[in-house]
Formats: sequence, C-alpha cells, structure tokens
Amino acid sequence: GDSVTQTEGQVTVSESKSLIINCTYSTTSIAYPNLFWYVRYPGEGLQLLLKVITAGQKGSSRGFEATYNKETTSFHLQKASVQESDSAVYYCALGVNQGGSAKLIFGEGTKLTVSS
Amino acid sequence: NAGVIQTPRHKVTGKGQEATLWCEPISGHSAVFWYRQTIVQGLEFLTYFRNQAPIDDSGMPKERFSAQMPNQSHSTLKIQSTQPQDSAVYLCASSSYWGEQYFGPGTRLTVL
Repeated sequence: GDSVTQTEGQVTVSESKSLIINCTYSTTSIAYPNLFWYVRYPGEGLQLLLKVITAGQKGSSRGFEATYNKETTSFHLQKASVQESDSAVYYCALGVNQGGSAKLIFGEGTKLTVSS
Repeated sequence: NAGVIQTPRHKVTGKGQEATLWCEPISGHSAVFWYRQTIVQGLEFLTYFRNQAPIDDSGMPKERFSAQMPNQSHSTLKIQSTQPQDSAVYLCASSSYWGEQYFGPGTRLTVL
C-alpha cells in the first residue's frame, strides 16, 4: 500500500532558529508520486504549502523548502529561521495520480509551536 | 471565489440516525474529494469524483457510507445508521484536472 510517516507529532522551536520536520513515504501503487506539504494555521482550513512532482527537485514557499529524494524516499520540510506566525500543523502527503489530480495520502501531522 | 463550501459546519446526531453532508466545489473544478479526520486515524481519503463520475472509493467503509455527485455544483456524503465511531471532521476538496486540491472548512460530525 501507500503510506506517509512523520515521526514527530509535536515540535517546539525558538523564534529565529532552524526547523526540520521529517517525512518519509512508501508506495507500491506508483513509481513517482507527487509529494506535498499542507499546513493548517490556527482557526483556518487546510491549505497547500508546497509541492514537488519530480524526483530530485526542490519546492519552496514562504521560506520553507523540501526536496524530493527518491533514494531515501524522503521529503523533509526545512526552514532556516522560523517565526511565531509559522506555528501551525504541517502535513506531508503523497499524491497517487490516476490520470489527473490525485487522491492524497497524508502523514499524521506535526504540530509546530514557535516560542518567542 | 468563495472557496469550497461545506454544510453544515457542525452536525450532532443520535446513534442510528442518518447524516448527510454537503459539499459545493469551486466553480469550474472537475474533481471532488472526500476525506475524514480523526485523532486516532488522522486524515484519511474516502472517495473522489471526476466530472461527476466516481473514480475511487477505496477509502469508504463498506457499509453505511455512500457518496454521490448528482451535478457539477455539489456532492453529498451520506452516513446511514450513524455510530459513535463515525464522529470525525469530514473534509471536502476540489481541484481542476491537474491542479492542487483546495479544501473546505470541514463538517464536524458528532454521534451521541
């Protein structure tokens, strides 16, 4: 089957420090899945943060970056300097294309708290 | 653009009652997805439609759950004989053919 693993359920980082949220995936249904990071800010709906559809490529948005690594089946989310406004829940997801926009398989989510 | 609209936002039902959840996708989007979020299972895919046709319902529980998309402007998720374990936030998303999925605010279903 297809699955996504985020090892940290909660992470607390001091403002201006760096961040890494780990994500690994496993898939048996598709050789090159699309990979996504979604974010849910407090009181808001789930929204796309960034996506990468080609292995080896890097996606970036709002200062966050993630590189699609097919060898290690990883898609870790990184930011060099977090801000309090980054506090949110982050979800890694795998897209299983079926001739168009794909159903998403989500990780468990990582709640990021940025302390001032 | 109002985004994906889900109604009701909250629904409370008694055990054994029926619940119908509504989703209005973004105008022009051809695909509609349903997901469910619980503390225990996280975010799970349920089913999706493209151009109103069911494409994949592999995440739908085999009994009591059904989804329809009678026209391009709305989709429904129906749960018959609701059980406490059906309590969850049900999310609807829509997308263009190759586009990103835009999520609605969700319907929080509570089964007493």
